[in-house]
Amino acid sequence: GAGVSQSPRYKVAKRGQDVALRCDPISGHVSLFWYQQALGQGPEFLTYFQNEAQLDKSGLPSDRFFAERPEGSVSTLKIQRTQQEDSAVYLCASSSGYNYNEQFFGPGTRLTVL
Amino acid sequence: QKEVEQDPGPLSVPEGAIVSLNCTYSNSAFQYFMWYRQYSRKGPELLMYTYSSGNKEDGRFTAQVDKSSKYISLFIRDSQPSDSATYLCAMEYGNKLVFGAGTILRVKS
Repeated sequence: GAGVSQSPRYKVAKRGQDVALRCDPISGHVSLFWYQQALGQGPEFLTYFQNEAQLDKSGLPSDRFFAERPEGSVSTLKIQRTQQEDSAVYLCASSSGYNYNEQFFGPGTRLTVL
Repeated sequence: QKEVEQDPGPLSVPEGAIVSLNCTYSNSAFQYFMWYRQYSRKGPELLMYTYSSGNKEDGRFTAQVDKSSKYISLFIRDSQPSDSATYLCAMEYGNKLVFGAGTILRVKS
């Protein structure tokens, strides 16, 4: 594909619902990252995959957040029992090889929890 | 105190002006320094990155890093209305990027 794609672009959830956010990285990119961007703030790191291995999940805010990349390409970020403070834009980025400094971002999924 | 500090603006300039955007940081371990541009409701777009101290130029954009002062800058020459966006500085730390809060830039025609 031409770039990183994410779906859905917008998601509204009622408090307590589970949501799943999808990321399709650039074809062939080994590294995949998830970030959370609150309104008026810069993105904050959530987790990192190298192929299918989740090597760093230090940024996940609670055990309600779970990410997977089972075949080393598409990734899903799941949030269980959503809370209002989970409302944010969730950004996915990918990079080729181990170039962590050249991350290409998708358009994000804007999650609103009511 | 955040690891990366960035004035949120907004910064409003007339078309054609030279724009200076800045970030300060506290972690001496940062080695790579990036500037991203983010349009409303879009993902960040990498403009340029530099390694360690020094200058790097790409068209109308110049990135400057001063590690001794823990200070980085992005200069935009001949600014255009299409440059109106949020500019995010970012620094690589291990396998993650640490971002500033972003500066909103408005270029008026």
